[in-house]
Amino acid sequence: GAGVSQTPSNKVTEKGKYVELRCDPISGHTALYWYRQSLGQGPEFLIYFQGTGAADDSGLPNDRFFAVRPEGSVSTLKIQRTERGDSAVYLCASSLTAGAAETQYFGPGTRLLVL
Amino acid sequence: TQLLEQSPQFLSIQEGENLTVYCNSSSVFSSLQWYRQEPGEGPVLLVTVVTGGEVKKLKRLTFQFGDARKDSSLHITAAQPGDTGLYLCAGWSFNKFYFGSGTKLNVKP
Repeated sequence: GAGVSQTPSNKVTEKGKYVELRCDPISGHTALYWYRQSLGQGPEFLIYFQGTGAADDSGLPNDRFFAVRPEGSVSTLKIQRTERGDSAVYLCASSLTAGAAETQYFGPGTRLLVL
Repeated sequence: TQLLEQSPQFLSIQEGENLTVYCNSSSVFSSLQWYRQEPGEGPVLLVTVVTGGEVKKLKRLTFQFGDARKDSSLHITAAQPGDTGLYLCAGWSFNKFYFGSGTKLNVKP
């Protein structure tokens, strides 16, 4: 079956612009996670959804970052007034539900470059 | 500051050698997962350990969860070039996963 997909695969934007990153999780997965990965580092937690609600958004760096999952499936990560420091790979993962023993299935990521 | 520290950061070895990668923390985790990530792709889960002292084997890979559930190790026997990649540990705490900084492994033929 289809895995987690993310669009676009690459995004180049200018400082100060607004960007949207999309994640299509595996069908039936209720938990959806967003991570940010900088070069040479492990993924850094941003936010996770259980269904339509953000169960934990403690990893969002500031109020320029916002994420939604209105119908409990597709999610969009929105970044306002982008800064050069936002450049990274943004990874999305989904799992059947949220829990310590659950398998997270990752998408290939969106590579964001802010010039 | 990373909640999970991995060592070594980089490892370059010859095919056939054995190696161990470590994942350490001062925090207790409900579970510990190991992932492998290749360039341009997302991480892929290798194993989940949930019980202190648990040992799991996956072909040439052996995973161990520390008795106190604060640390874990990954041992690879007779490494092959196909094992090359970034190995990440992730611990479940406070209802989310925290990832380590990763160990970049290169196995030379």
